[in-house]
Amino acid sequence: SYEVTQPLSVSVALGQTASITCGGNNIVSKNVQWYQQKPGQAPVLVIYRDTNRPSGIPERFSGSNSGNTATLTISRAQAGDEADYYCQVWDSSTYIFGAGTKVTVL
Amino acid sequence: EVQLVESGGGLVQPGRSLRLSCTTSGITFGDQTMSWLRQAPGKGLEWVGFIRSESSGGTTEYAASVKDRFSISRDDSNNIAYLLMNSLTSEDTAVYYCTRANYRFGTLTGYYFDAFDIWGQGTTVTVSS
Repeated sequence: SYEVTQPLSVSVALGQTASITCGGNNIVSKNVQWYQQKPGQAPVLVIYRDTNRPSGIPERFSGSNSGNTATLTISRAQAGDEADYYCQVWDSSTYIFGAGTKVTVL
Repeated sequence: EVQLVESGGGLVQPGRSLRLSCTTSGITFGDQTMSWLRQAPGKGLEWVGFIRSESSGGTTEYAASVKDRFSISRDDSNNIAYLLMNSLTSEDTAVYYCTRANYRFGTLTGYYFDAFDIWGQGTTVTVSS
């Protein structure tokens, strides 16, 4: 079965850029979604189909997908961006989530 | 304002059943594919299943881990989606989220959806004796 791999944690200085990766075999052939989840809250979709932002998501959030790695980039990181981030793909009639990356803003 | 509100969670004994409800507002419910996801304590997200709109056949899809035990249904007259969970075990302890599945694509076996774009606040299910 298909698997995706995320780093356990990423740290970023306030105002700098954070990159969160999602690795998978030829993941470029799949549509990748990203969700943000703050403690005690439901997840929020921040990127769909690799690069698209839903309405209301700041332009600071962007996505890319190439080869075996999809990436969520958070520009000009803010304290409010501290959260767990999950990547998600569809494969063989099921949905697969990464284990999540905890982003800490220093 | 779009709202999905889950209810029906609680403490249930192993082997028993529980039905969750998802009451919606602010969306044309009958046109939507509704999905359930869950998150075990301290763990990541897991897709449970979804039900397509009636216009797309009203058919259901389930994760392998719950197939044959869980069932999703819908009441388009009252804008409610349900998740019936049977033969519960401690492995089913989780926060259960109702979501809308969006961004449809076609496959040889039917339509699927790329993303879950609207989420409820979740309801907690604890399976314990």
